[in-house]
Amino acid sequence: GIQVEQSPPDLILQEGANSTLRCNFSDSVNNLQWFHQNPWGQLINLFYIPSGTKQNGRLSATTVATERYSLLYISSSQTTDSGVYFCAGRKMDSNYQLIWGAGTKLIIKP
Amino acid sequence: DGGITQSPKYLFRKEGQNVTLSCEQNLNHDAMYWYRQDPGQGLRLIYYSQIVNDFQKGDIAEGYSVSREKKESFPLTVTSAQKNPTAFYLCASKRTGANYNEQFFGPGTRLTVL
Repeated sequence: GIQVEQSPPDLILQEGANSTLRCNFSDSVNNLQWFHQNPWGQLINLFYIPSGTKQNGRLSATTVATERYSLLYISSSQTTDSGVYFCAGRKMDSNYQLIWGAGTKLIIKP
Repeated sequence: DGGITQSPKYLFRKEGQNVTLSCEQNLNHDAMYWYRQDPGQGLRLIYYSQIVNDFQKGDIAEGYSVSREKKESFPLTVTSAQKNPTAFYLCASKRTGANYNEQFFGPGTRLTVL
């Protein structure tokens, strides 16, 4: 079936630590995106990354489309990085529908 | 500033009442979406619209209705037929076309049924 699976479901780290979040997606999903949902519920676009690697400050993402996974790296974590990180992919037989993972809840302790 | 606005931020409803959530965008995006998010869960698609005067059901459309009379606006009505409407509702928009793949989100409306 059409699936987007994220791991780990929860992650608690000390400020300054690095982390890697994983997103596995089925073969009927492509055009991966990563989002951060802050504690107030706002969803912020982090990366649109169908393949390859992108970096934005302390965050970077890599998608290996042939192996159906994407990784989000957060370096030197700050407390403001806390929240839920979602990956979502486009359903291939639709131009518009996104299929969402269940998210990784990240807590950064000071 | 270009963006997506949703109102109200918090909404309380008595059982049996219909309520309408507002979503407005000034990004000139053709496509708009409504999602529902339950605690600890990902997003589920309720309805989407690719163009004015046209919309399609998503995965969980039962108990909801929408209209798209203007490009900028995509209101969602939560009807009394929706059995468990307490949730966080997010609106999104997107440019259409093969080169445009990112959806952008409003701040959300938290609906509580009393």
